[in-house]
Amino acid sequence: GAVVSQHPSRVICKSGTSVKIECRSLDFQATTMFWYRQFPKKSLMLMATSNEGSKATYEQGVEKDKFLINHASLTLSTLTVTSAHPEDSSFYICSARDISTEAFFGQGTRLTVV
Amino acid sequence: AQSVAQPEDQVNVAEGNPLTVKCTYSVSGNPYLFWYVQYPNRGLQFLLKYITGDNLVKGSYGFEAEFNKSQTSFHLKKPSALVSDSALYFCAVRDDTGGFKTIFGAGTRLFVKA
Repeated sequence: GAVVSQHPSRVICKSGTSVKIECRSLDFQATTMFWYRQFPKKSLMLMATSNEGSKATYEQGVEKDKFLINHASLTLSTLTVTSAHPEDSSFYICSARDISTEAFFGQGTRLTVV
Repeated sequence: AQSVAQPEDQVNVAEGNPLTVKCTYSVSGNPYLFWYVQYPNRGLQFLLKYITGDNLVKGSYGFEAEFNKSQTSFHLKKPSALVSDSALYFCAVRDDTGGFKTIFGAGTRLFVKA
């Protein structure tokens, strides 16, 4: 299957700083990318959907000014957690869709805010 | 609105025995159904999907799932469990209305005892 690379796999940041997570489709063009958040021992919660060249669509309850999403090209989407706080600590996973019906997932990023 | 239910938080099975992980869904259009597996601190790995066609879908690592439209179910099965199958399993659904937003169930943790 197609490969989605997510970077970094782990990041520790200080409270109040911002951190950027990258999601790249390595061998296909991703018209749509999705960002999920997973709490410990919980399911994946869809945060937002991003289409290349347009603004992301955020799910209800997700602060768009807190979680900035940029989908500047067909192979790259970024999620920036701004002014991070300990409650933002979580596992963030991106997925990318090609022209088929299947979505491919990145390896995830473990964010710890101290 | 789409929804997915995985009624069991955990399933325990002895190695060599058959396993079933349950999933029911609700969508407004025709369903696209998926099963993913997640190992600790890792992203999701695709197991199988149902889009159309045969109700019995065969996937990776010997897993299969049966689509039952009348019961709106898509249970994951394997004839003979392995200890290495122990992981977190997610059922997911998307409808065919073109949004490509995938909703995940809460996850079921599978423990296979030797």
